[in-house]
Amino acid sequence: RKEVEQDPGPFNVPEGATVAFNCTYSNSASQSFFWYRQDCRKEPKLLMSVYSSGNEDGRFTAQLNRASQYISLLIRDSKLSDSATYLCVVWSNNNDMRFGAGTRLTVKP
Amino acid sequence: SAVISQKPSRDICQRGTSLTIQCQVDSQVTMMFWYRQQPGQSLTLIATANQGSEATYESGFVIDKFPISRPNLTFSTLTVSNMSPEDSSIYLCSVEDGLNYGYTFGSGTRLTVV
Repeated sequence: RKEVEQDPGPFNVPEGATVAFNCTYSNSASQSFFWYRQDCRKEPKLLMSVYSSGNEDGRFTAQLNRASQYISLLIRDSKLSDSATYLCVVWSNNNDMRFGAGTRLTVKP
Repeated sequence: SAVISQKPSRDICQRGTSLTIQCQVDSQVTMMFWYRQQPGQSLTLIATANQGSEATYESGFVIDKFPISRPNLTFSTLTVSNMSPEDSSIYLCSVEDGLNYGYTFGSGTRLTVV
């Protein structure tokens, strides 16, 4: 089993749609969780951290379920500029970041 | 967040040669990390570069193939030695921006071995 598993995608959605990505992790000792965005031929960039209580940043909502070892990212009212690959990232207490394989999103007019 | 300058941005190298990638950070950081991202794949940690001690390598990566230097708290290099076409990949350095701020990445080095 992979340490971090994501929906394989790709997701192709129209502008304005709501789309959700899921991610599961295997290390129950993981402490911090993130969603990164990676544009084609660019480095990953932090989109948002994921807190236990869930958190929202504009059109983006992240949820964490420690019992099920599950993370989600919800994008509302999707824009063309949201097209990218979204990486689920899990950090453990040995300064070890593990990346999911990423989910590709394409938002179409 | 930290700003990282990574060089070179890309290179095409001959089989059997070596390439050294540099990362310069605009602030002092305890650890720097080197990742590889093969085409269509996610990031795989190669090693953690520690200042004042040897780098810590992940399973499947060895010092002879990927020697790392960390002369101070703002700089690190990764060398890809005796390259083969299988080493063609994107190599990225990163630093921790605080527990809740994730890691910041350099812009990556796109390596093609011919």
